[in-house]
Amino acid sequence: AQSVSQHNHHVILSEAASLELGCNYSYGGTVNLFWYVQYPGQHLQLLLKYFSGDPLVKGIKGFEAEFIKSKFSFNLRKPSVQWSDTAEYFCAVTPYSGAGSYQLTFGKGTKLSVIP
Amino acid sequence: NAGVTQTPKFQVLKTGQSMTLQCAQDMNHEYMSWYRQDPGMGLRLIHYSVGAGITDQGEVPNGYNVSRSTTEDFPLRLLSAAPSQTSVYFCASSYSEGVGETQYFGPGTRLLVL
Repeated sequence: AQSVSQHNHHVILSEAASLELGCNYSYGGTVNLFWYVQYPGQHLQLLLKYFSGDPLVKGIKGFEAEFIKSKFSFNLRKPSVQWSDTAEYFCAVTPYSGAGSYQLTFGKGTKLSVIP
Repeated sequence: NAGVTQTPKFQVLKTGQSMTLQCAQDMNHEYMSWYRQDPGMGLRLIHYSVGAGITDQGEVPNGYNVSRSTTEDFPLRLLSAAPSQTSVYFCASSYSEGVGETQYFGPGTRLLVL
């Protein structure tokens, strides 16, 4: 079974600082990769996703992620964070079989606190 | 579209009680799933369905039952609630985009079992 590791449990940054959240997965085949964000008290919202093609994907709110297949990584980045980015961020992966990839495996999440 | 809706938003149960968490989607998505979210654990898949009449178990299915009689609805039943089932439950739906599926989540149901 696949697994997802998010290296940072809690990250604290000042506004305008750059952000990079690590995500590594363990699965040898083709995968679909996702980053979701959960603002306090809210449900999960999709930030960005990678299915195929350009390994650098851009999402909403200025976030981007780079898929490095050789490192089994899909790190999330943002050049300048805002207080409103305070949230919990989840990396998720599902193996792609062509017949449907239905079972998301999530990392344990990284809480981001942005100090004004 | 309302997207994925869940009811109730919050529920308190006593140990041994049963209840059904409702989930509905109006996007005609073929795939639906239930996850539970616990602090420090991320989200874990309970059950999923690839279409009406078809369900299967996920990572943590024990103590839960599902059925899918229509495309729109995917209720989750707790047969005999236990304190270990205290959690936040999220329902999700998705459709095939050819090279993958993106899951869209509902607002969640917060369950407390005493």
